[in-house]
Amino acid sequence: DAGVTQSPTHLIKTRGQHVTLRCSPISGHKSVSWYQQVLGQGPQFIFQYYEKEERGRGNFPDRFSARQFPNYSSELNVNALLLGDSALYLCASAQGYNSPLHFGNGTRLTVT
Amino acid sequence: GIQVEQSPPDLILQEGANSTLRCNFSDSVNNLQWFHQNPWGQLINLFYIPSGTKQNGRLSATTVATERYSSLYISSSQTTDSGVYFCAVDDSTLTFGKGTMLLVSP
Repeated sequence: DAGVTQSPTHLIKTRGQHVTLRCSPISGHKSVSWYQQVLGQGPQFIFQYYEKEERGRGNFPDRFSARQFPNYSSELNVNALLLGDSALYLCASAQGYNSPLHFGNGTRLTVT
Repeated sequence: GIQVEQSPPDLILQEGANSTLRCNFSDSVNNLQWFHQNPWGQLINLFYIPSGTKQNGRLSATTVATERYSSLYISSSQTTDSGVYFCAVDDSTLTFGKGTMLLVSP
């Protein structure tokens, strides 16, 4: 069975640009969540979607947005990129609310 | 928000040694999960353990929710156990600790 897949794996953007990251959950998983991990820190929660509805939002500015599609895949969008947005962006899926989380390999975003 | 503290922050072991990693949290939680992040950045779910004890091969985990802590025990460590171990607690959103960086040398 395929795990959580994320694309692209690496991305280099310039300050002020926009970026879209994509995630496909494990088949049968209806919950997708997004995390930002900067070097030396644990992942920080950005968004959770369950059954295509936003169920949680972390302490991130409005430049960050996300959505979940009818096939449960998800996109994370970041507008007006800042240097501080450089990080590993992780997507995780779960069967339901209180279920084990399974992570993708992440998208490494570099903002120059 | 909830605070999650992991100890020790760093740990160096000889292959074959045993170790215990600790996770303390500041409030009651819905569940707790342990993850291993390998040197390539991949996060692997080790345990989903809101309470009680679970074992998986050389690894075992115990969560005592009433005392707000969880422990991860690694026996007969191998070099492939190297990486960062995170605990994450769920009190509506998942909050990760800062991790324990483990290096197992041959």
